[in-house]
Amino acid sequence: DAAVTQKPRYLIKMKGQEAEMKCIPEKGHTAVFWYQQKQSKELKFLIYFQNQQPLDQIDMVKERFSAVCPSSSLCSLGIRTCEAEDSALYLCSSTLDRGYAEQFFGPGTRLTVL
Amino acid sequence: QQNVQQSPESLIVPEGARTSLNCTFSDSASQYFWWYRQHSGKAPKALMSIFSNGEKEEGRFTIHLNKASLHFSLHIRDSQPSDSALYLCAVSMMGSNAKLTFGKGTKLSVKS
Repeated sequence: DAAVTQKPRYLIKMKGQEAEMKCIPEKGHTAVFWYQQKQSKELKFLIYFQNQQPLDQIDMVKERFSAVCPSSSLCSLGIRTCEAEDSALYLCSSTLDRGYAEQFFGPGTRLTVL
Repeated sequence: QQNVQQSPESLIVPEGARTSLNCTFSDSASQYFWWYRQHSGKAPKALMSIFSNGEKEEGRFTIHLNKASLHFSLHIRDSQPSDSALYLCAVSMMGSNAKLTFGKGTKLSVKS
């Protein structure tokens, strides 16, 4: 099985603080995705990187998040000012950038905003 | 814009039952169709995929695709308590882009 690593596993922030989480994609994978999952329900797409370049992102990410992949072996997702509604599991996945390729997910970072 | 819908939202079945999960999509150019499974507290993991009309069976699981109807489904034979999980269907388009559009999920509980 592919191994996607995410750190930290748990993150607690006060409202208004900055948060940062990291993802190490599977070696050789050229596409990286971030998703937000609340209460073990649907995966909400946040941003997609292809060869370290952001190709698609939702408005919320443009407005309040910062996301970069400075190398093929490290990506990060940050929240500039945490709000209570940001409490969620943040999942990173990586894949070969082909429609037929399986996305492999990391265990996620569970963010709690107090 | 692709719209992926799943039904039912949740499902409780007895052990040994046959379970059917449904997924509809809106874009007829969709090319690749996936089912992911997420056990409680775990990462989603791909369960099965299908790329052409018809059926594909792997063990107790069968995936069926009807592109003309914009519909695909997952059938679980002899459901087990270990099958209890969130099932997510996902669709991607033709071409080199790996972006998946996920449905909202079906929560399956198998009772022994």
